[in-house]
Amino acid sequence: GAGVSQSPSNKVTEKGKDVELRCDPISGHTALYWYRQRLGQGLEFLIYFQGNSAPDKSGLPSDRFSAERTGESVSTLTIQRTQQEDSAVYLCASSLQGGVPTEAFFGQGTRLTVV
Amino acid sequence: GDSVTQMEGPVTLSEEAFLTINCTYTATGYPSLFWYVQYPGEGLQLLLKATKADDKGSNKGFEATYRKETTSFHLEKGSVQVSDSAVYFCALTDKGGGTSYGKLTFGQGTILTVHP
Repeated sequence: GAGVSQSPSNKVTEKGKDVELRCDPISGHTALYWYRQRLGQGLEFLIYFQGNSAPDKSGLPSDRFSAERTGESVSTLTIQRTQQEDSAVYLCASSLQGGVPTEAFFGQGTRLTVV
Repeated sequence: GDSVTQMEGPVTLSEEAFLTINCTYTATGYPSLFWYVQYPGEGLQLLLKATKADDKGSNKGFEATYRKETTSFHLEKGSVQVSDSAVYFCALTDKGGGTSYGKLTFGQGTILTVHP
């Protein structure tokens, strides 16, 4: 596609339920990032996929959070047993990695509300 | 690890005022530096970038110079407009080796409001 696509754009879920967020990066982009942005806050790094290397999971806040990426395409972020503090906009970005890392392109985000 | 520190906000200015948003960084490798902007109701987008020391990135009247000696990448604009009201994020990607290669690290963001 022309840009990074995220789905759903909005998700309301009940506390304790599992949710799955999807990200379709720009075709050919080898790097993919997930961030979380709480209301009025900055960007909180969650996880980073770089080609076929082991992902950097250092930002995942708890073991309820996990993410997968199939090759260099789609990624899914799964949150199990959601809590109210998980409410935030979840942003995905991709970039073309080469000798010099290039700019990252962001999706519009998924707004998650846990009630 | 890598980190980015931005000046505390929010920043409120009158139209045509001079803008500076400070950004300093810590990196283990040789980072590329970026400013991203998030306009109200919109997604994050790249404003400008610099990939090596002494490079100057510029776009839409904004400028930032990569200063290795002071590990800084301050954002400036000579005359702001109401339409510049947004959240500005300083960021870096590390070109060092290992799992940190290409990882994008953001500052906390600075809210800019420009009044007519």
